[in-house]
Amino acid sequence: DAGVIQSPRHEVTEMGQEVTLRCKPISGHDYLFWYRQTMMRGLELLIYFNNNVPIDDSGMPEDRFSAKMPNASFSTLKIQPSEPRDSAVYFCASSLAGYNEQFFGPGTRLTVL
Amino acid sequence: AQSVSQHNHHVILSEAASLELGCNYSYGGTVNLFWYVQYPGQHLQLLLKYFSGDPLVKGIKGFEAEFIKSKFSFNLRKPSVQWSDTAEYFCAVRGSQGNLIFGKGTKLSVKP
Repeated sequence: DAGVIQSPRHEVTEMGQEVTLRCKPISGHDYLFWYRQTMMRGLELLIYFNNNVPIDDSGMPEDRFSAKMPNASFSTLKIQPSEPRDSAVYFCASSLAGYNEQFFGPGTRLTVL
Repeated sequence: AQSVSQHNHHVILSEAASLELGCNYSYGGTVNLFWYVQYPGQHLQLLLKYFSGDPLVKGIKGFEAEFIKSKFSFNLRKPSVQWSDTAEYFCAVRGSQGNLIFGKGTKLSVKP
């Protein structure tokens, strides 16, 4: 199994631009999670899906952030417009049944100038 | 709300020293507990997990953790650390809806 796949691995953009992060979960997993990691705030859960349906988006910082999961094998996290304070590493993770371990992707390092 | 506390922000040890990282959780019901490790520049990987049964859990790379229900604790231990154990360690508890609630993490630096 290829594991959780995220793209791009690195993204550098300018303030005000739209950013789209992508995630492909492990095949067969029914839970998908988006996290953000910064030095100041540590690892924060942004949103998670069960069977493609968003369950809890209370961690999404503001309306500039949105996430979708159009099918079981693909999810996006979009930031529009981006701001320098959005600079972080964004991780996607997936799990089976929600009660088991989460498998993390390699992360996307986002830098907003 | 459920929460996880990791009391040590940064631990510095010499090789061969013993390690114990503290983790306390707030949830009082049935718990599923995890320790993840993040090596520099890499993603989180599972070290070990506790769901039920023997409260002493063995993980990969010689790590173990003990679940003490009365203390709401799930401390991570290793008898003899190596330089390659330098990483950040995260304790987590499973939330009521399948999500994981992570602690702030503990950075471990092992001096050769």
